[in-house]
Amino acid sequence: EAQVTQNPRYLITVTGKKLTVTCSQNMNHEYMSWYRQDPGLGLRQIYYSMNVEVTDKGDVPEGYKVSRKEKRNFPLILESPSPNQTSLYFCASSMEQGLSPLHFGNGTRLTVT
Amino acid sequence: RKEVEQDPGPFNVPEGATVAFNCTYSNSASQSFFWYRQDCRKEPKLLMSVYSSGNEDGRFTAQLNRASQYISLLIRDSKLSDSATYLCVVRTGGGNKLTFGTGTQLKVEL
Repeated sequence: EAQVTQNPRYLITVTGKKLTVTCSQNMNHEYMSWYRQDPGLGLRQIYYSMNVEVTDKGDVPEGYKVSRKEKRNFPLILESPSPNQTSLYFCASSMEQGLSPLHFGNGTRLTVT
Repeated sequence: RKEVEQDPGPFNVPEGATVAFNCTYSNSASQSFFWYRQDCRKEPKLLMSVYSSGNEDGRFTAQLNRASQYISLLIRDSKLSDSATYLCVVRTGGGNKLTFGTGTQLKVEL
């Protein structure tokens, strides 16, 4: 089944404790992206990747890192999480940026205390 | 002004009603337009693309008005299962950036 898999689904952590949210897609998509969704603000792009080893900042990249060592994986790293990073996070992929439907993962609900 | 604006709702409608949402966009160079559907606490999923000539998919009709810079989604014969948040998505510029609206919530009631 074609899908984007994120883990974990729920994560509660404390300020400053490094964490990684994994994202994997099995559709051989070139483009992958991370979004955060907050009430009243909608989906905002954090980082995106056009292909392996190519990543770029989205609209809200501060406090986040990503890597794209393999085509299928695009982990999101929070080196020192803070409470303002409490949010619902979605990973997404598509064949090309903006030119085909985005396939989203199930989401990761992160709480930083 | 936001790049993509939607009325957050909620729109509460009875089953069987026809309901329409609009979405305005600020960049006249925007090139492609989409409607995504998001159920509560779940991931967004593509509902339909919006073509210049307008397009229909069953009970759903999407239209684009470039002159006034808005897109619309019309849902006929609303079902309880149509209850969701509808996200307007606009692709802009050479970088093919997708910008999401904050969504319009629809609640279909018995």
